[in-house]
Amino acid sequence: DTGVSQDPRHKITKRGQNVTFRCDPISEHNRLYWYRQTLGQGPEFLTYFQNEAQLEKSRLLSDRFSAERPKGSFSTLEIQRTEQGDSAMYLCASSPWDRRNVEQFFGPGTRLTVL
Amino acid sequence: AQSVTQLDSQVPVFEEAPVELRCNYSSSVSVYLFWYVQYPNQGLQLLLKYLSGSTLVKGINGFEAEFNKSQTSFHLRKPSVHISDTAEYFCAVSDPRTGSNTGKLIFGQGTTLQVKP
Repeated sequence: DTGVSQDPRHKITKRGQNVTFRCDPISEHNRLYWYRQTLGQGPEFLTYFQNEAQLEKSRLLSDRFSAERPKGSFSTLEIQRTEQGDSAMYLCASSPWDRRNVEQFFGPGTRLTVL
Repeated sequence: AQSVTQLDSQVPVFEEAPVELRCNYSSSVSVYLFWYVQYPNQGLQLLLKYLSGSTLVKGINGFEAEFNKSQTSFHLRKPSVHISDTAEYFCAVSDPRTGSNTGKLIFGQGTTLQVKP
């Protein structure tokens, strides 16, 4: 078990460019979450998947954001036409999610800087 | 809607002293409660969790927390801190109800624990 991994760890882009982040959850975890964390704040929920189905999206997730989890394995988060306000740490977490195992295991995050 | 308030943004403390990081939540239903720690440029690591049962919860690295339903609090404590405990600490809640429950975490703003030699 290698834990949750995210790629890349850092991404610097120019405003208006598209970026894509990848998250590999712990194998056999059926739930996968994306959070965004800005400087000095706690993480904020963006969206989550139960297997391959995206079941909830936050109001923070504008039309420029899209997330997928094909085949219920890894997930990608794409931001189109990036804006400076998108600069943040994007965190991925996975969970086995049953009545007693509700812990979310977090990856190291992808830090996005939009110039 | 659920919310979490961490009452102190920064807590400076000397090494080997006790520390308490305060967390209050608002919710009209029962909740699951968590404390996470974040070291610089890293993801979050779970310290401890309260799901049900005993209100005193013990976690990793000598931390413990007490769930107080009447005061809607879940304060984190450690009797003697080390330099290595310097980090950002986050309190979080989630809704345990089944059905449409997302399990998403609602985080507080975080408390920076600064342990001084």
